[in-house]
Amino acid sequence: DAGVTQSPTHLIKTRGQQVTLRCSPISGHKSVSWYQQVLGQGPQFIFQYYEKEERGRGNFPDRFSARQFPNYSSELNVNALLLGDSALYLCASTLSTETSGNTIYFGEGSWLTVV
Amino acid sequence: GEDVEQSLFLSVREGDSSVINCTYTDSSSTYLYWYKQEPGAGLQLLTYIFSNMDMKQDQRLTVLLNKKDKHLSLRIADTQTGDSAIYFCAATRRTALIFGKGTTLSVSS
Repeated sequence: DAGVTQSPTHLIKTRGQQVTLRCSPISGHKSVSWYQQVLGQGPQFIFQYYEKEERGRGNFPDRFSARQFPNYSSELNVNALLLGDSALYLCASTLSTETSGNTIYFGEGSWLTVV
Repeated sequence: GEDVEQSLFLSVREGDSSVINCTYTDSSSTYLYWYKQEPGAGLQLLTYIFSNMDMKQDQRLTVLLNKKDKHLSLRIADTQTGDSAIYFCAATRRTALIFGKGTTLSVSS
């Protein structure tokens, strides 16, 4: 069975541009979450989506947005990129909205460099 | 202080046991997780424990939880060079996982 898949794996953008990152959850998993991991830090929660609805949002500016599709895949969009947005963006997949009691699997991430 | 805190570095010899410690602040965290991250890679789920449990063992891994003190530890028995990585502790908070900054485990032969 395929795990959580993310694309692209690496990308370079310039300041002010926009980026879209994609995630496909494990088959049967209905919930997708996004995390940002800056070098040397632990992952920070950005969003959780379940059944196409936002169920949780972390402390990130409105430049960050996401959506979930009927097949449960998800996109994370970041507008007006800043140098500080350079990070590893991780997608996590679970069966339901509740983190309690469910195994939470992460993908390999998308490395974003903003120059 | 941070919501989830870990010591930053741990160095052990191959064959020894490693113990990585973590403290968290949110008493409502119902599940606590341990993840492993190798260089340039994503997060690999190692194990997790429900907050009403004291201990969970899974092959070479043992998790101990002191809910009163909000202290969690991960013991790796017979540590191997392949265990060298960053280990993250994470606590649930509503729909999110709150991570520590990670403990870098270095295993020397």
